[in-house]
Amino acid sequence: EAQVTQNPRYLITVTGKKLTVTCSQNMNHEYMSWYRQDPGLGLRQIYYSMNVEVTDKGDVPEGYKVSRKEKRNFPLILESPSPNQTSLYFCASMGRDSNSPLHFGNGTRLTVT
Amino acid sequence: AQSVSQHNHHVILSEAASLELGCNYSYGGTVNLFWYVQYPGQHLQLLLKYFSGDPLVKGIKGFEAEFIKSKFSFNLRKPSVQWSDTAEYFCAASGAGSYQLTFGKGTKLSVIP
Repeated sequence: EAQVTQNPRYLITVTGKKLTVTCSQNMNHEYMSWYRQDPGLGLRQIYYSMNVEVTDKGDVPEGYKVSRKEKRNFPLILESPSPNQTSLYFCASMGRDSNSPLHFGNGTRLTVT
Repeated sequence: AQSVSQHNHHVILSEAASLELGCNYSYGGTVNLFWYVQYPGQHLQLLLKYFSGDPLVKGIKGFEAEFIKSKFSFNLRKPSVQWSDTAEYFCAASGAGSYQLTFGKGTKLSVIP
């Protein structure tokens, strides 16, 4: 089954404790992206990647890192999480044809206390 | 700058009522347009998309949207909503040939049985 898999689904952590949210897709998609969703703000893009070893900042990259060492994986790293990073995070991927839709993962709800 | 505006933050309808959710975009050049739906606790799923051709686009679950170039609009419609349509709806746009999607802030639809 074609899917984007994120882990974990829920995460509660404390300020400053490094964490990684994993994202993996099995569709051989070139494009992958991370979004955060906050009430009243919709989805805002954090980082995206056009292919292996190619990443770029989205609209709200501060406080986040990503890597794309393999085509299928695109982890999101919070080196020193802060409470304002409490949010719902979605990973998404898209194939080579830019007319194709984004496929979203099931989301990771992160709480930073 | 590219932007997508959704006029309504929260819409409440009774079952069988007709639905129209507004979406306006600001983009230079040719644009691809999408509507995504997010059911409670789930990830975003594609409802419908417009790339070119017939400006009236039909999607899943009886939804349709009309691209009106002169008004920079891509409103979502459904003639008769059901309780199961309760969800949040996101309009999104990208430049033709671009992977980058800009999302609106979303419209929450509540359908009362």
